[in-house]
Amino acid sequence: GENVEQHPSTLSVQEGDSAVIKCTYSDSASNYFPWYKQELGKGPQLIIDIRSNVGEKKDQRIAVTLNKTAKHFSLHITETQPEDSAVYFCAALNTNAGKSTFGDGTTLTVKP
Amino acid sequence: GAGVSQSPSNKVTEKGKDVELRCDPISGHTALYWYRQSLGQGLEFLIYFQGNSAPDKSGLPSDRFSAERTGGSVSTLTIQRTQQEDSAVYLCASSLEVIRLHSPNEQYFGPGTRLTVT
Repeated sequence: GENVEQHPSTLSVQEGDSAVIKCTYSDSASNYFPWYKQELGKGPQLIIDIRSNVGEKKDQRIAVTLNKTAKHFSLHITETQPEDSAVYFCAALNTNAGKSTFGDGTTLTVKP
Repeated sequence: GAGVSQSPSNKVTEKGKDVELRCDPISGHTALYWYRQSLGQGLEFLIYFQGNSAPDKSGLPSDRFSAERTGGSVSTLTIQRTQQEDSAVYLCASSLEVIRLHSPNEQYFGPGTRLTVT
């Protein structure tokens, strides 16, 4: 089955700096890669996703890159703000199978 | 509009008892997913429904776990003879349809049910 590894497990940055979280996956059939932000006591919320036919996607301060050959994808947050502090999860999904496999999460702390 | 709701929000039960967790998906969403999140861990896929049928039950940890969905809406996850290792947050998500490569159907998550088995 699919295996997703996420690094780092914790990340602390100064407000205004950039943050990068990386994930690798094992199943070459995976073709959909969402990123979720989870705040304390809440369910995960989708912040950005990328599909296998695209190498990069950007939405304001958030961007995701995908390298299918190397089987890794990354989340980039620029100009970080304290409200970006949360746990971020990556996931990999084979849309023909319907099942998502999640990384273990990264706790991001943005210091004011 | 109303999002995904789950009940109860918290459940404390004694080892060996059965528990039932409920998920109300967003109205009109045909796909429903159950996940388990242990403390400090990622989300572990349990089962998903397309309508009332569950094409993939491979994530259920043991035969003590079962889930059903009726009327294409509400789903219940039942854990029989609970064990301490069942303690976790159980998350439900729904999407308009099962995610396909060229469809924008994202999953919307509920707030979860925190289960504690003593």
